[in-house]
Amino acid sequence: QSVLTQPPSASGTPGQRVTISCSGSTSNIGTNSVFWYQLLPGTAPKLLIFRSDERPSGVPDRFSGSRSGTSASLAISGLRSEDEADYYCAAWDDNMTGPVFGGGTKLTVL
Amino acid sequence: HVQLQESGPGLVKPSETLSLTCSVSGGSINNYYWTWIRQSPGKGLEWIGYVYSSGSTTYHPSFKSRVAISVDTSKNQVSLRLSSVTAADTAVYFCARQLGISVWLDSWGQGTLVSVSS
Repeated sequence: QSVLTQPPSASGTPGQRVTISCSGSTSNIGTNSVFWYQLLPGTAPKLLIFRSDERPSGVPDRFSGSRSGTSASLAISGLRSEDEADYYCAAWDDNMTGPVFGGGTKLTVL
Repeated sequence: HVQLQESGPGLVKPSETLSLTCSVSGGSINNYYWTWIRQSPGKGLEWIGYVYSSGSTTYHPSFKSRVAISVDTSKNQVSLRLSSVTAADTAVYFCARQLGISVWLDSWGQGTLVSVSS
């Protein structure tokens, strides 16, 4: 059971906009920044969003993040086939004094 | 551009100790935090613990009694040891560079699969 809650799956067609939610509590998302990671099989995970809504250089602006209260979301616009991957949210948890992750959302591009 | 590569046995027997190494190239280990995370089959990511280049460590409470993470600055390597393993420790193990005491993991290794089986 992951500390942060994500839907197990999401899907969309090319060009569409999809949103992945991440729900936590006051000890993690409610107090600390949210980070999003993309995992593709056999490759190193990639940081997509840091500090809840900032993109590292090289990450397309099709990816955006937001945080409100104890929830956060990742939005992907202009969906592309190469976006098919697993997406994880993460945040620092003050109770555990360590990182906590969501269970991951498998995005399928139809 | 820093690169990380995990290595170690792909198969460990129950009750034995899992030992992995993360080799860091293209950058120094110094003045950074280095973390270990795992992904069990069909499950999400799970933080194990992190170490600062000075050697100070912080571990997930669930692993605290049987985990040790260390650094070797002369070799630019980070190590993970997990003792008394069971089948539940079967997972892909990742190392990552952590920016400060946060979940900001800016560089990751590809991960290495460790199976626990007799």
